[in-house]
Amino acid sequence: EVQLSESGGGLVQPGGSLRLSCAASGFTFSAYVMSWVRQAPGKGLEWVSSISDSGRSTWYADSVKGRFTISRDNSKSTLYLQMNSLRVEDTAVYYCVWGHGAHWGQGTPVTVSS
Amino acid sequence: DVVLTQSPLSLPVTLGQPASISCRSSQSLVHSDGSTYLNWFQQRPGQSPRRLIYKVSDRESGVPDRFSGSESGTDFTLKINRVEAEDFGVYYCMQNTHWPWTFGQGTKVEIK
Repeated sequence: EVQLSESGGGLVQPGGSLRLSCAASGFTFSAYVMSWVRQAPGKGLEWVSSISDSGRSTWYADSVKGRFTISRDNSKSTLYLQMNSLRVEDTAVYYCVWGHGAHWGQGTPVTVSS
Repeated sequence: DVVLTQSPLSLPVTLGQPASISCRSSQSLVHSDGSTYLNWFQQRPGQSPRRLIYKVSDRESGVPDRFSGSESGTDFTLKINRVEAEDFGVYYCMQNTHWPWTFGQGTKVEIK
């Protein structure tokens, strides 16, 4: 059974940093693209970033480019999202997503507020 | 960027009746590999999204066959044959043919 478990969310002040993690199991992690998608309170879904199976290619939404960094450790079956220079508008639940959307984690909430 | 426009944004339905959601793309979603990567997701309140349909019309394992997807050019449709109580929630279309991946605004399916 595919399982994705996010962690690392929390409350942070504007300008601060957080590192999200997503522990994966139930599939061959190193063979798939992985992504982060977020959902602001009461809003729709927004794709944030994706990383290729090897980690050599990454893609970012314009809204986070230059501030967020996606990475992965295939030996640990874990996906990461380093978030720097956080803004109030980054407040959302962040979901870890397998492949082209086949499975989603339960999400980890990030609140950026002073 | 590809813009996906869903309609309606709110869809009141009666149990047992059919429902249909449209997703219009601002450009072709045919990938260079020949596939069309248009997905449909269901999100129930307080839950993570769940993929129902991928590549326009392929149903995920375990998804009831009352859900179906179709396309006509750059217009995509999700149909629910006979709405059941568990079908209420918000539905999103999403494309991952082109970077950046994009979502429609969401359609809230609610009880009439």
